[in-house]
Amino acid sequence: DIVMTQSPDSLAVSLGERATINCKSSQSVLYSSNNKNYLAWYQQKPGQSPKLLIDWASTRESGVPDRFSGSGSGTDFTLTISSLQAEDVAVYYCQQHYSAPFTFGPGTKVDV
Amino acid sequence: DVQLVESGGGLIQPGGSLKLTCAASGFTFSNYAMNWVRQAPGKGLEWVSVISGGGDTTFYADPVKGRFTISRDDSKNTVYLQMASLRAEDSAVYYCSKGSQSSRYSSIDYWGPGTLVTVSS
Repeated sequence: DIVMTQSPDSLAVSLGERATINCKSSQSVLYSSNNKNYLAWYQQKPGQSPKLLIDWASTRESGVPDRFSGSGSGTDFTLTISSLQAEDVAVYYCQQHYSAPFTFGPGTKVDV
Repeated sequence: DVQLVESGGGLIQPGGSLKLTCAASGFTFSNYAMNWVRQAPGKGLEWVSVISGGGDTTFYADPVKGRFTISRDDSKNTVYLQMASLRAEDSAVYYCSKGSQSSRYSSIDYWGPGTLVTVSS
């Protein structure tokens, strides 16, 4: 099974400042046939269901603010919130959908 | 709009069985993979199972393999999770969720509100 780790466990960022979350997979999630990284990022606000932010490591979903960006390839990935807003307070999870079981990272809590 | 509505959760004794149902609407159901993901109280997300669009392929997380069965009825736009031999550690909110593609190797682009399963005597 692919193990997903995230760092840090939590972080506090001032409004308007940058937040950076790291995600690492125990093996590559890059599929060589299509050169796609099977890595997604989700946001879960308190009391809500998760929401897909970014797929294929760097493709932002429709309607997701452009302050959210994803980068990385292979085993190392990053979610960046360029200018934190109050509504971004949430737990962020990465997930690999390369190989079953499609494991999630443990989550990173972002606070102000 | 995509809607996913779970039902069937509740309190069940250890060793018991429970069947979760998810009614989907707002998209061509048969064209997409469907997942179940769970979240124990105060904990992170745990992927449970997926069934491909068309239902020909299923996968399970190791902790539920052999105890849980995912299925779908495309005529009813419904996906199910049959859970057996339930344990205390299966207690969680269970989310029905839609794959972003028909392939099982897809991310999850819509989530239901979840249904709570509590396994306790």
